[in-house]
Amino acid sequence: DAEITQSPRHKITETGRQVTLACHQTWNHNNMFWYRQDLGHGLRLIHYSYGVHDTNKGEVSDGYSVSRSNTEDLPLTLESAASSQTSVYFCASRDTDTQYFGPGTRLTVL
Amino acid sequence: SQQGEEDPQALSIQEGENATMNCSYKTSINNLQWYRQNSGRGLVHLILIRSNEREKHSGRLRVTLDTSKKSSSLLITASRAADTASYFCATDAKRSGAGSYQLTFGKGTKLSVIP
Repeated sequence: DAEITQSPRHKITETGRQVTLACHQTWNHNNMFWYRQDLGHGLRLIHYSYGVHDTNKGEVSDGYSVSRSNTEDLPLTLESAASSQTSVYFCASRDTDTQYFGPGTRLTVL
Repeated sequence: SQQGEEDPQALSIQEGENATMNCSYKTSINNLQWYRQNSGRGLVHLILIRSNEREKHSGRLRVTLDTSKKSSSLLITASRAADTASYFCATDAKRSGAGSYQLTFGKGTKLSVIP
């Protein structure tokens, strides 16, 4: 069955370190998204991609970057982790209308 | 910025009762979707209603859409303990160019179904 996976599921890092969260989907969807979920804020869009080599900034993109070298993967990089980036991160891919979400990565920045 | 806003923020009911959650939004939409999130999990798509539809059913779910009031409601009938989760509405706003396929999510309604 097609699926979307994220790794790691849990990560603890220190302020200032670079961190990369992986997202892999096997639906062959062109559209992929990264969100963060925080209490009181719901889901907020960080970055998104509509295809290979395409990346776009979302609502809360500062301090994050993505790259899209193939259809299946959209890794999210925190260039220099900050405590404000402690959150749960969700990756999603989309067909025509429906978004399919990964299980999430819980990131703690100490 | 949040497009959809769910109401209430939290809802607690007895098993067997119906649960109604509401969503209001601000701009013109192509469609509105409802998602469920169980604790510690990702969001799961439940149902989609297009802007030219007024009501849609899927199993125990009933969704209505009133584009004149920019609002939607999700009704879960005969609730079960397994329905305990957070429910989010997401709007697919009409736009062109970059961002054409973005969904904007509300903050969710936390539903507790007591056995």
